[in-house]
Amino acid sequence: KQEVTQIPAALSVPEGENLVLNCSFTDSAIYNLQWFRQDPGKGLTSLLLIQSSQREQTSGRLNASLDKSSGRSTLYIAASQPGDSATYLCAAGEYGNKLVFGAGTILRVKS
Amino acid sequence: NAGVTQTPKFRILKIGQSMTLQCAQDMNHNYMYWYRQDPGMGLKLIYYSVGAGITDKGEVPNGYNVSRSTTEYFPLRLELAAPSQTSVYFCASSYPHRGSGEKLFFGSGTQLSVL
Repeated sequence: KQEVTQIPAALSVPEGENLVLNCSFTDSAIYNLQWFRQDPGKGLTSLLLIQSSQREQTSGRLNASLDKSSGRSTLYIAASQPGDSATYLCAAGEYGNKLVFGAGTILRVKS
Repeated sequence: NAGVTQTPKFRILKIGQSMTLQCAQDMNHNYMYWYRQDPGMGLKLIYYSVGAGITDKGEVPNGYNVSRSTTEYFPLRLELAAPSQTSVYFCASSYPHRGSGEKLFFGSGTQLSVL
């Protein structure tokens, strides 16, 4: 059974800092690894999807990497801003687009 | 495009009551999902559907039922509500699985308390 873990559980950084969020998964037989953003009281917004054959994906200030052999993914946020404050969730993609989620990292960027 | 729409946003139930959580999507997605999120935990899959008339259990289906008569709608039914069903419920949809999978689009959630 796939298990996904995210470290740290919470992170507080000053504005402008570069930061890394970590995600690990136990079963390397994944179709993809997805990163989501969740704002309080709102749904999840898809940030990046890394296919199992890819090593990384980039969108603006966000860069996500995938190392299937070690069961790890990282989300790198460059030049953080207060608007980046949210919970970030990673999820391992299984067949049928079913996702196994981690518990998330709560990020606070202080101005 | 409204995307994925969930109603209601909040609901309080008494133990033993029943209710239906509504979910609709206007993106013509074949695949739809119901997840629940407990405080401090990741989302867990309750039920999913790959098309009208086809549903299957996820990781935590007990206490819930679903139906899918059309592409657009995927309601989740709670029978005999229990305090353990207090959670935030999210509906999601996607295109059919192809190659390395597809992105999911989520609704804004229904916060349910069972007292």
